[in-house]
Amino acid sequence: GAVVSQHPSWVICKSGTSVKIECRSLDFQATTMFWYRQFPKQSLMLMATSNEGSKATYEQGVEKDKFLINHASLTLSTLTVTSAHPEDSSFYICSARGGGRGTEAFFGQGTRLTVV
Amino acid sequence: AQTVTQSQPEMSVQEAETVTLSCTYDTSESDYYLFWYKQPPSRQMILVIRQEAYKQQNATENRFSVNFQKAAKSFSLKISDSQLGDAAMYFCAYGATNKLIFGTGTLLAVQP
Repeated sequence: GAVVSQHPSWVICKSGTSVKIECRSLDFQATTMFWYRQFPKQSLMLMATSNEGSKATYEQGVEKDKFLINHASLTLSTLTVTSAHPEDSSFYICSARGGGRGTEAFFGQGTRLTVV
Repeated sequence: AQTVTQSQPEMSVQEAETVTLSCTYDTSESDYYLFWYKQPPSRQMILVIRQEAYKQQNATENRFSVNFQKAAKSFSLKISDSQLGDAAMYFCAYGATNKLIFGTGTLLAVQP
């Protein structure tokens, strides 16, 4: 299958700082990218959906100003957690899809964010 | 809003036996896809099988098959001849134009 590379795989940052997570589709053009947050032993909670060149669509309850999503090209989307707090510590996963709703979505390896 | 529900937090099956994981969903749309994804301990999500809502025929992929009941909004996964490598978290997912949402997951254990 296609490859989605997510970087970094883990990061520790100080409270109040910002951290950027990158998600790249390596061998296909990702028209749609999804960002999820996963708590231990829980489901993937959809945070936002982004289409290349458009503003991201955020799910209800997700702070747009805190979780900045940019989908500047067909192969790259970034999630920036601004002014991070310990409660933002979580596992973040990106997913990329190269076609419509029936197209397989490929997932990055995830990023473990710890805010201290 | 669309929702996906998995009522079985954990399931266990003996190696070589068959197990069925349940999933129900709610949507007002008529055109959508349903998926089962597997998440092993590595946390890398892997697509197991997909079903288009317009197709009446149940999807099959080797040992994996689904029972899709559109009217009941039910989408169960059957794993035949279970193998130790099938042990993982299984997520049912609903796919629409700008949505890919997941159920709460079922942790499957395979007993040797």
